[in-house]
Amino acid sequence: EAQVTQNPRYLITVTGKKLTVTCSQNMNHEYMSWYRQDPGLGLRQIYYSMNVEVTDKGDVPEGYKVSRKEKRNFPLILESPSPNQTSLYFCASSGGRTQYFGPGTRLTVL
Amino acid sequence: GQQVMQIPQYQHVQEGEDFTTYCNSSTTLSNIQWYKQRPGGHPVFLIQLVKSGEVKKQKRLTFQFGEAKKNSSLHITATQTTDVGTYFCAEQSFSGGYNKLIFGAGTRLAVHP
Repeated sequence: EAQVTQNPRYLITVTGKKLTVTCSQNMNHEYMSWYRQDPGLGLRQIYYSMNVEVTDKGDVPEGYKVSRKEKRNFPLILESPSPNQTSLYFCASSGGRTQYFGPGTRLTVL
Repeated sequence: GQQVMQIPQYQHVQEGEDFTTYCNSSTTLSNIQWYKQRPGGHPVFLIQLVKSGEVKKQKRLTFQFGEAKKNSSLHITATQTTDVGTYFCAEQSFSGGYNKLIFGAGTRLAVHP
């Protein structure tokens, strides 16, 4: 089944404790992206990757890092999480027109 | 920067009533995509509109792209409880050669039986 998976689905952490949210897709897509969703703001792009080893900032990249060492994986790294990064995060991949979203990761930073 | 404004933010209807959400931009859109997100779920692609004045239908859903390609709408006829969710429009930008989506804030639809 074609899908985008994310882990963990839920995470509660404390300020400053480094964390990684994994994202994997099995559709051989070159393009992958991370979004955060906050009430009233829709989805905002954090980072995207056009291919392996090619990443670039989206609209809200501050406080986040990404890496793309393999085509299928695109982890999101929060080196020192802060409470304003409490949000719902979606990974997405695309082979052209349509973006396929993962199930989401709800992150709470205390 | 680029921005798509979506209205209303929230709509509450009785089952069987119609529903419309609008997406507006101050600049010409290359194309517009529509997504649906069920409560607790993730955005799911519904459709893409590319041509000026384009109208597409999916069962009870009708999607329109304005003649000037600055606005779009999604109309649901005779809503059902299964239509509950948030509907997002998104402009697809090919700026710099990459596939970027700029989302509107979404319209949350509640349908009461």
